[in-house]
Formats: sequence, structure tokens, C-alpha cells
Amino acid sequence: DQQVKQNSPSLSVQEGRISILNCDYTNSMFDYFLWYKKYPAEGPTFLISISSIKDKNEDGRFTVFLNKSAKHLSLHIVPSQPGDSAVYFCAALRAGANSKLTFGKGITLSVRP
Amino acid sequence: DAGVTQSPTHLIKTRGQQVTLRCSPISGHKSVSWYQQVLGQGPQFIFQYYEKEERGRGNFPDRFSARQFPNYSSELNVNALLLGDSALYLCASSLDTFYSNQPQHFGDGTRLSIL
Repeated sequence: DQQVKQNSPSLSVQEGRISILNCDYTNSMFDYFLWYKKYPAEGPTFLISISSIKDKNEDGRFTVFLNKSAKHLSLHIVPSQPGDSAVYFCAALRAGANSKLTFGKGITLSVRP
Repeated sequence: DAGVTQSPTHLIKTRGQQVTLRCSPISGHKSVSWYQQVLGQGPQFIFQYYEKEERGRGNFPDRFSARQFPNYSSELNVNALLLGDSALYLCASSLDTFYSNQPQHFGDGTRLSIL
């Protein structure tokens, strides 16, 4: 059962434009949502997170929006840069004992110069 | 400061063998988690350890086991290897357990290939 879904496997955008990466989830009990970026041959790197009680969190060029009623979140990157080209994973966490971080399948972002 | 370090980087085994993967967390981090990532999928949670105790377990068979040492480093053991165990095994460390949203910091992984 895929509780975190990233339905678009890839996205290509022009340098300087906005990148919007989408993520859907099914478990309404998730407390936190996180985005990780992964380059080839490297481990995932934490980007930004948002609590389920918030609807927006911003960090520099990265903004995450959460729509709880739709069980949907999105990561906006503005402006996009060629160095942003990587695989982006959406992950969700239900805090508490015996909890775990649940990842989506990832989206490959390509930023064209 | 050094990040999360994993060893070995690559490993080739045959079916039925046993393997041990090692992880050293970021200094000061007391929680270590293990994930399996197969091609085309996101990382799948295997175990979490905090202060040498198992705090979480994913949906993996008993062939998978782990432990955490007093210095907070960790080992993941897989027995009776199957072809389907071929994957990238990631270790992540954090200050705390999943009770908070302390982001996990990942190592670069061990690429395990089963022949």
C-alpha cells in the first residue's frame, strides 16, 4: 500500500522558471512531511519540512505547501537552477513509538540551461 | 564534522550467503535508521535504533537484523540472501527518534548485489 505517492516520474523545466513537484498521501495521521533531494551515487539530503498544522513553509528558493483537505503537498523551487537537477523524494512521518519515515518513489527533475 | 559514513561502498554476494553492513552516525546523533532502496523506488524503512534499543521495525523478514553499539554506530545483518535483496542500503542518523521531526541525515549507502 503506497501511502505516499509521487505520480509524475519526471519533470523538465527551463533555468530561471518555477519547478513544482507534487506529492499525495493517503494516511491522515501523518504529522510531518519532508522533502529530500538525491544526486546519483549520494545519499538523500534533507531540503525542507512542514508540520501538519501548517500550510506553508519557506526556506530560500524552496517553499512547501500543504493542503490537508486534499491530502496533497507540493514543493516549489524558484528560480530553478541547473544544480537543482536531481531526484526529489517526498516523505511523511507519524511521530510516536514505532513510527517510521515513509517515502514516495521520487521525481526526477531536470533543469535545462 | 563528518557526515554519516557507511561501509563497504559496494558488495557482491551470492544467494544464501550472509552480509553485514556498517554505519557510523554523525557525532552527537543517538538514533540510527536503516533503509532499503531498490531501483525505481523510494527508500523503504527497515529498522530504527535509539540508545542501543530497537524503536521501530519495517515490514521485512526475520532474515534482517540490526544492532547499535555503545558508540551509537550500527550494523545491519542479512542472512540467507535472496536475489531480491539486491539494493542500495541507506543508513540515516538523527538527534532523536521519530517522536520529533528532527530531519534524518543519510549516508551514501552500500550497494549490495546478489548473484
